[in-house]
Amino acid sequence: EPEVTQTPSHQVTQMGQEVILRCVPISNHLYFYWYRQILGQKVEFLVSFYNNEISEKSEIFDDQFSVERPDGSNFTLKIRSTKLEDSAMYFCASSGDPTGAYGYTFGSGTRLTVV
Amino acid sequence: EDQVTQSPEALRLQEGESSSLNCSYTVSGLRGLFWYRQDPGKGPEFLFTLYSAGEEKEKERLKATLTKKESFLHITAPKPEDSATYLCAVRKNTGGFKTIFGAGTRLFVKA
Repeated sequence: EPEVTQTPSHQVTQMGQEVILRCVPISNHLYFYWYRQILGQKVEFLVSFYNNEISEKSEIFDDQFSVERPDGSNFTLKIRSTKLEDSAMYFCASSGDPTGAYGYTFGSGTRLTVV
Repeated sequence: EDQVTQSPEALRLQEGESSSLNCSYTVSGLRGLFWYRQDPGKGPEFLFTLYSAGEEKEKERLKATLTKKESFLHITAPKPEDSATYLCAVRKNTGGFKTIFGAGTRLFVKA
């Protein structure tokens, strides 16, 4: 069964450093998303991406965040200057249609720890 | 303000003991209600999408229903492998694809 692959599974970084989280969505999917889940809290929407541009972003997704699809297979989330409160599990997801009829396929996540 | 509230927070069942999980929502312009299953340390796994009141979907021991204000996930004769956190999420008619998740119901099924 097709999977969304995320790397690394766990990243520890110093406050103020830049991090790039990587995702390989399902190959024939066109809609891509990043979500985060702080330990013990809800899954929160960050951004959606379609046709090489951001479709929608949440209030969390400020100027410190950016997304990119640098080639035909990868989808990345960059945090420019990490803060302690950025520590969370970050999930990438993809879908093949805009309606969500078949839901989103999520990756297993990258656990980001900012120290 | 848009809200998705799930209850109960946690539910402990004996194997074979059927029950229901609730998701109530206050969202303007609903464009779909989703149910996901999440195992510890994993990403959410898609179960169902419901679009309109009265709609029902079934998959094995799970059945999801939708009204104008809430959705139920009915679990019939659960097994220990059904133990997981069940997440409800709604998508708004914003032109984008923002999805709002509830906090989830942690289900424990004992053999």
